[in-house]
Amino acid sequence: KNEVEQSPQNLTAQEGEFITINCSYSVGISALHWLQQHPGGGIVSLFMLSSGKKKHGRLIATINIQEKHSSLHITASHPRDSAVYICAVMGGSGGSNYKLTFGKGTLLTVNP
Amino acid sequence: DSGVTQTPKHLITATGQRVTLRCSPRSGDLSVYWYQQSLDQGLQFLIQYYNGEERAKGNILERFSAQQFPDLHSELNLSSLELGDSALYFCASSVGGAANGYTFGSGTRLTVV
Repeated sequence: KNEVEQSPQNLTAQEGEFITINCSYSVGISALHWLQQHPGGGIVSLFMLSSGKKKHGRLIATINIQEKHSSLHITASHPRDSAVYICAVMGGSGGSNYKLTFGKGTLLTVNP
Repeated sequence: DSGVTQTPKHLITATGQRVTLRCSPRSGDLSVYWYQQSLDQGLQFLIQYYNGEERAKGNILERFSAQQFPDLHSELNLSSLELGDSALYFCASSVGGAANGYTFGSGTRLTVV
């Protein structure tokens, strides 16, 4: 079983829809990252969370440390949001607080 | 531009060869991390350097090595290349440990033929 599980693997939405991507992890962590990767490969760090909730524009990320679960929400989705969204946790069974362990990503396609 | 510079962007080389990937961290960042992204394994942590010293090691093969120089740029050396080493190699940097946030470079796409 992977340490970081994301769902769904693929998500197709219509422009304007509210989107939720989920991430569950099985190890103790010091922080959780949400990353965005566009076709062509570049990775952008969207959020780093250790508790609670963060908001940036139309993006909202929440984390529940007790439940070992995080969600990324996109409100009023737009075709430019189409990308792979990756959950990554810092700290884990390896004992190092510095490395990131990644989920397999969620491919989001937003149609106009 | 994220501030983290990786060169080259693309690299095509033959099996058995040796290549060097370069990363210049964002100004002021002391930590450099190397990651490999392949189709079958996804993103995996390779190694971290902090201010010139190795800080953490992940799934890095013995054929691979890295170092961080006094000017804080880092190089990842890949030798005796195999077809399976074809992947995107990302560098990221942070001020200290990763709890201070990450900035990723745009990656080097390595193709081994």
